[in-house]
Amino acid sequence: AQSVAQPEDQVNVAEGNPLTVKCTYSVSGNPYLFWYVQYPNRGLQFLLKYITGDNLVKGSYGFEAEFNKSQTSFHLKKPSALVSDSALYFCAVRDPFGANNLFFGTGTRLTVIP
Amino acid sequence: DGGITQSPKYLFRKEGQNVTLSCEQNLNHDAMYWYRQDPGQGLRLIYYSQIVNDFQKGDIAEGYSVSREKKESFPLTVTSAQKNPTAFYLCASRPSYNEQFFGPGTRLTVL
Repeated sequence: AQSVAQPEDQVNVAEGNPLTVKCTYSVSGNPYLFWYVQYPNRGLQFLLKYITGDNLVKGSYGFEAEFNKSQTSFHLKKPSALVSDSALYFCAVRDPFGANNLFFGTGTRLTVIP
Repeated sequence: DGGITQSPKYLFRKEGQNVTLSCEQNLNHDAMYWYRQDPGQGLRLIYYSQIVNDFQKGDIAEGYSVSREKKESFPLTVTSAQKNPTAFYLCASRPSYNEQFFGPGTRLTVL
């Protein structure tokens, strides 16, 4: 079965410090992986995706993610956190058998402390 | 959120009532989705549609119904059979490539 795990419900980081939001996945076949961000009472915004190719994927707002096949991980990173990065982050994996449906993790709330 | 609209933004329902949530997209996407979001549970798929006049149940379809009569529209009805409907509902659409695009959501509260 396809699934993603976000082991941390909450991540706190000081403004200007690097941030990492963790995601591990389980999928049959080649993984298609995604990161989304959600601000309060809003829909999800797409940040980046990994389909194939370079293991380091660059996305919106200075975010990047590193795909690691051996560790089945797809951690989201940013070199220098901003207070405006505070939000709820979701990792997702595409279901290769189910019409491109996505399985979402439970989310990680990132708080950037000024 | 651009290109996908959901209405209303907030919706209140009395127990025993059916309510319909609207989702419209002008992105010419074939596929559309409905998700339910509860605190600490992430997003769970209710229904999805890959093409007009066709739709499939997701993981938590009980107590919900949908229709897809037009490419642009994918309304969700929350019926009285849904015992715990209070949640944040998100609609999404997807073009031929992989990522889904989300609407701004509707927060449904049962009074």
